[in-house]
Amino acid sequence: QKEVEQDPGPLSVPEGAIVSLNCTYSNSAFQYFMWYRQYSRKGPELLMYTYSSGNKEDGRFTAQVDKSSKYISLFIRDSQPSDSATYLCAMSLNSGYSTLTFGKGTMLLVSP
Amino acid sequence: GAVVSQHPSRVICKSGTSVKIECRSLDFQATTMFWYRQFPKQSLMLMATSNEGSKATYEQGVEKDKFLINHASLTLSTLTVTSAHPEDSSFYICSARDTRGGREETQYFGPGTRLLVL
Repeated sequence: QKEVEQDPGPLSVPEGAIVSLNCTYSNSAFQYFMWYRQYSRKGPELLMYTYSSGNKEDGRFTAQVDKSSKYISLFIRDSQPSDSATYLCAMSLNSGYSTLTFGKGTMLLVSP
Repeated sequence: GAVVSQHPSRVICKSGTSVKIECRSLDFQATTMFWYRQFPKQSLMLMATSNEGSKATYEQGVEKDKFLINHASLTLSTLTVTSAHPEDSSFYICSARDTRGGREETQYFGPGTRLLVL
């Protein structure tokens, strides 16, 4: 079993849809959870950063962490064509002071 | 804030030559930088952790004599691919850890360098 599982997609949605992206993980010691957005041929861009369980909202993005289920989600409201990218979940043991473990990424396609 | 740059953005070289890639933190000092490699439609694979003023720590399976890392200052780390071969063709991405107070203590990524070895 891989440490972090993420459906590679692609996930295709119409503009304006609510998008749900998910990752599951096996190491219960992970404490910090991140979502990165990566456009084609570009470096990943940090979208959301959360610690432990709970929700965090930033504009159209909401990150959820359920440590009891070892499951994290990223919701995108009112999706736009510009949201089309690959979304990578990442997690670490001790904030930024340990290495990141990434999922494979989910490709999202938002059609106008 | 937390901007990381890489140079060059893409490079094409002949087999057997060496290629140097620079990673700079533009608006913060980074005691630790990371080098990743990414193949098409794959996730990022950590190659090494670079600490300013000390030797890099390489991940298992990464040849330290082939991928030379130097972190000579708090804003610059370099990755040199020595005697490059076609199988070294990939997307190389660096990241830097921003530990300034009030910032999220995670890694911020550069835009990546696409290497093609002919």
